Amino acid sequence: QKEVEQNSGPLSVPEGAIASLNCTYSDRGSQSFFWYRQYSGKSPELIMFIYSNGDKEDGRFTAQLNKASQYVSLLIRDSQPSDSATYLCAVNTGSSNTGKLIFGQGTTLQVKP
Amino acid sequence: DTGVSQDPRHKITKRGQNVTFRCDPISEHNRLYWYRQTLGQGPEFLTYFQNEAQLEKSRLLSDRFSAERPKGSFSTLEIQRTEQGDSAMYLCASSLASGYQPQHFGDGTRLSIL
Repeated sequence: QKEVEQNSGPLSVPEGAIASLNCTYSDRGSQSFFWYRQYSGKSPELIMFIYSNGDKEDGRFTAQLNKASQYVSLLIRDSQPSDSATYLCAVNTGSSNTGKLIFGQGTTLQVKP
Repeated sequence: DTGVSQDPRHKITKRGQNVTFRCDPISEHNRLYWYRQTLGQGPEFLTYFQNEAQLEKSRLLSDRFSAERPKGSFSTLEIQRTEQGDSAMYLCASSLASGYQPQHFGDGTRLSIL
């Protein structure tokens, strides 16, 4: 079992729809969770981070965390073609002070005009 | 506020040669991380520093790889006797000193082994 799992996609949604990206992780001791966006040929760009169970909203983005189910998700409202990219879920496992991030393989999102 | 800077952006070299990459973190960040990313995969952790101390190194990292951060500012990653399998994007990130702090990535160095 991989430590951080994402569906590689592609996930295709029409412009204006809600895109839902999901991620599961295996280490129950994980403390912090991050979502990065990566355009083709570019480096990862931080979108959101979440530490506590529940929802965290920032503009069109909402991160959701359920530690009991070991599940974290990212919702993108009013999806735009410019949101088309690979979305990486990253988990900081174990102690809250460790620096090591474990990444999923990423989900490719395609937003069609 | 300047971001994380990596140099060079691209490196093409012959198998067996040594290569060295440089990373300059965001100035107030005392943690610096190295990751490697191959096509279709997420970044894979290599090592990280807090100030000048190397706190963790991946077990996947062979002895051909070495990283330094001598004065707690910039860092270098050296790969000796490069192999075809070393072809990848090498990413550097920095953060404040806590696992809760987000890591910010540089543009990466793309290494191609001929």
